[in-house]
Amino acid sequence: GQNIDQPTEMTATEGAIVQINCTYQTSGFNGLFWYQQHAGEAPTFLSYNVLDGLEEKGRFSSFLSRSKGYSYLLLKELQMKDSASYLCAVNPAGGGNKLTFGTGTQLKVEL
Amino acid sequence: GAVVSQHPSWVICKSGTSVKIECRSLDFQATTMFWYRQFPKQSLMLMATSNEGSKATYEQGVEKDKFLINHASLTLSTLTVTSAHPEDSSFYICSVISGLAGGPGYEQYFGPGTRLTVT
Repeated sequence: GQNIDQPTEMTATEGAIVQINCTYQTSGFNGLFWYQQHAGEAPTFLSYNVLDGLEEKGRFSSFLSRSKGYSYLLLKELQMKDSASYLCAVNPAGGGNKLTFGTGTQLKVEL
Repeated sequence: GAVVSQHPSWVICKSGTSVKIECRSLDFQATTMFWYRQFPKQSLMLMATSNEGSKATYEQGVEKDKFLINHASLTLSTLTVTSAHPEDSSFYICSVISGLAGGPGYEQYFGPGTRLTVT
C-alpha cells in the first residue's frame, strides 16, 4: 500500500523560513511532487523531484532522499499569500501516471 | 503548461438527480485524465483514470455505476454523478498529464474544480 505522512498544520512568521516535511512508504517510486492549494481552489504545481538532492525555484526549494523515503519543501521569505495547504504527492512505480497524495499541511503565515 | 477547464465551477442539485461535470484540456491533447474528489480539509482522493476511447479505470471503493466517466475525445472527459446524495457533496477536480512518469517533463495539471452540493 501507499502511505504518505505530513504534519497537519504549521504556523510561521512573515519573512521567515519554513520547512514542511513529507515521508512516504510506497511500492516503488517514480517521483515526488509538491503542490500548493488555496482554499476552494485546485492545486498548483510547485516542484517535482525524481533524483536525490535539492531543487530550487525562487523562494521555494524541494529536497528528496529516496533511500530515506523523505522529502521537504522549503519556503523562504514567507509572505502572507503563502498561507495555504501544501500537498506532497508520490508517483509510485507501476502505478502508471497516477499520484498518491498526502493529507496536506495547512500553513498559516502570521505577521 | 497545459490549461485545464472545468464546467460548471459549482452546482447545487437535489438528492436523486444526476449531475454532469466537464473537464476540458484547452491546449493539450490528453489521452489520459484523472478525476479526484476532495472533502473539506482533506486531501485529494483519486477516483478514476479516464482513458480516451476506452473504459475508465476506477479506484478501489469507487462505484463505477454511480460515477460514470466518458472520455470521448482527446480534449474532453465528463464525470456524471448519478442519483446524487448529500454524501456526494464534494469538490471534484480533474487533471491531465504531460510527459512520462519518472521522466523530467512529467507533470500533472489540475482543473479549477467543481463544487457539488447535493441538498
